[in-house]
Amino acid sequence: GAVVSQHPSWVICKSGTSVKIECRSLDFQATTMFWYRQFPKQSLMLMATSNEGSKATYEQGVEKDKFLINHASLTLSTLTVTSAHPEDSSFYICSASPPGQGEGTEAFFGQGTRLTVV
Amino acid sequence: GENVEQHPSTLSVQEGDSAVIKCTYSDSASNYFPWYKQELGKRPQLIIDIRSNVGEKKDQRIAVTLNKTAKHFSLHITETQPEDSAVYFCAASKMAFYNQGGKLIFGQGTELSVKP
Repeated sequence: GAVVSQHPSWVICKSGTSVKIECRSLDFQATTMFWYRQFPKQSLMLMATSNEGSKATYEQGVEKDKFLINHASLTLSTLTVTSAHPEDSSFYICSASPPGQGEGTEAFFGQGTRLTVV
Repeated sequence: GENVEQHPSTLSVQEGDSAVIKCTYSDSASNYFPWYKQELGKRPQLIIDIRSNVGEKKDQRIAVTLNKTAKHFSLHITETQPEDSAVYFCAASKMAFYNQGGKLIFGQGTELSVKP
């Protein structure tokens, strides 16, 4: 299957600082990638759709100025958590689908990033 | 927008028994329904998926059924084994374009425990 790689796997940062998370599609080009957030013992919640060469589309309730998304190439999307606070501590995970699979394409997930804000 | 409801939230079965997890979705335009298994701290792993033009799909001990009229789909695991213990998520997606995967809306998850 296709490979999506996420970096870093875990990060600890101080409150008020910013953290950047990278999501790469290693063996395919992705015009669209998706960012999810998962709190302990909860489901994956879609945060935003990352669009190559254009602005990201954010889900209702997600602050676009706090969660900056950049999709500068067909293989890389980045999520920057700005001015992080302890409540932003979570598991962040990205996904992408290889093109050309037709209706209902399989999503491939990155390893996830465990963010802890202290 | 799409909403996916999943039940039960926890399920405990004896090894060898069957397990059934059910999901309902709200958007009739959704056309792709994957099921994921997630172990603690890991990425979701696709175990089976079904597209809207199919009513049932089976892969060894795992099967999924889809009822488009009622807007619900179910995961069936037969002959459960302790290694099946994990959290299972259903999801729904709506994709209109040939070369673009749609965003996934997940159910709340089911923690399955298979007792030896």
